[in-house]
Amino acid sequence: KAGVTQTPRYLIKTRGQQVTLSCSPISGHRSVSWYQQTPGQGLQFLFEYFSETQRNKGNFPGRFSGRQFSNSRSEMNVSTLELGDSALYLCASSRENTGELFFGEGSRLTVL
Amino acid sequence: TQLLEQSPQFLSIQEGENLTVYCNSSSVFSSLQWYRQEPGEGPVLLVTVVTGGEVKKLKRLTFQFGDARKDSSLHITAAQPGDTGLYLCAGDLRNNQGGKLIFGQGTELSVKP
Repeated sequence: KAGVTQTPRYLIKTRGQQVTLSCSPISGHRSVSWYQQTPGQGLQFLFEYFSETQRNKGNFPGRFSGRQFSNSRSEMNVSTLELGDSALYLCASSRENTGELFFGEGSRLTVL
Repeated sequence: TQLLEQSPQFLSIQEGENLTVYCNSSSVFSSLQWYRQEPGEGPVLLVTVVTGGEVKKLKRLTFQFGDARKDSSLHITAAQPGDTGLYLCAGDLRNNQGGKLIFGQGTELSVKP
């Protein structure tokens, strides 16, 4: 069974640009969550999608957005990038109502 | 404000030693999970504890959930270099709109041969 796939694995952007990250969940998993991981803050919850609807949202500014498609694949977008957005962005999928997350390897974003 | 306080943040020990990692909160969780993350990879689920007072064992790892479901501990017996990694606890603030896992800051464990 294929795991969670995230693309791209690494990317470098400059301040003011925008970025889109993609996540393909494990087959059959309808919930997709996104987390930001930094050395100082640890894993911070961004949002969760289930059946194309945002079900939960963390405390991030509106520059961070996401969506989920009918095949459960998800994308997150960060607009007007800031230096502080440099982080590892992790996507995780889960079976309905289990709460147990299966993480991808992450997309490492560097903002210059 | 960190909802889940994890300690210690860093731990460097010799092979064969025992260690305990703690995860504390003032919130009650419907369940608590422990993950392990290696460099360049995403966290991998080790265990989920659900019932207050529950103890689960995974080889040399023992996980305990506090009676009030607000805290948890991970004890490793006779640590090995292969145990090196970032250990994360995560509390499930489940509501009727689905789950929301809150992570602790993590414990960076280094086991030297």
